[in-house]
Amino acid sequence: RKEVEQDPGPFNVPEGATVAFNCTYSNSASQSFFWYRQDCRKEPKLLMSVYSSGNEDGRFTAQLNRASQYISLLIRDSKLSDSATYLCVVRDSNYQLIWGAGTKLIIKP
Amino acid sequence: DVKVTQSSRYLVKRTGEKVFLECVQDMDHENMFWYRQDPGLGLRLIYFSYDVKMKEKGDIPEGYSVSREKKERFSLILESASTNQTSMYLCASSSRLGTETQYFGPGTRLLVL
Repeated sequence: RKEVEQDPGPFNVPEGATVAFNCTYSNSASQSFFWYRQDCRKEPKLLMSVYSSGNEDGRFTAQLNRASQYISLLIRDSKLSDSATYLCVVRDSNYQLIWGAGTKLIIKP
Repeated sequence: DVKVTQSSRYLVKRTGEKVFLECVQDMDHENMFWYRQDPGLGLRLIYFSYDVKMKEKGDIPEGYSVSREKKERFSLILESASTNQTSMYLCASSSRLGTETQYFGPGTRLLVL
């Protein structure tokens, strides 16, 4: 079983819709959680950190469920420019980052 | 803005060749990382360094070595390239181990024939 698992997608979503995807992690001692965004043939960039109380940044909301060991990312009013691969990242107790393989999102006009 | 640069965007090498991948960051970051990224797999850590002349093995160090002679530069070396090392190689830096944002270079797409 992978330490960090994501649905690879692709999620095909019409512009303006709301889309959500989850990421599960296997190590209950994981410390911190992040979502990175990676555009096609580009490097990953931090989208947002995920706090225990959940956090929101504009159209993006991230939540953490420690009991079920998953984090989620919700995108409201999706834009064409949101098309990308979203990488779930978990920091373990050794301060190493464990990366998911990513969920591909395609926003269609 | 943090800038991480990598010496090549694309490289084609032959099996058995020695390959050098260079990474330079301009933000005085202590930590630097080398990952490889393959389809269907997450980024996998090859080596990292948290100080000049320091290096630590990541999850898949076999077939690779690294060098960090200066704080801003972290080199990845493939001593004898093999076809299973065909991949996208990403360098990253951060100011504190793990908790801070990692800033990535644009990546080097290596093809080993």
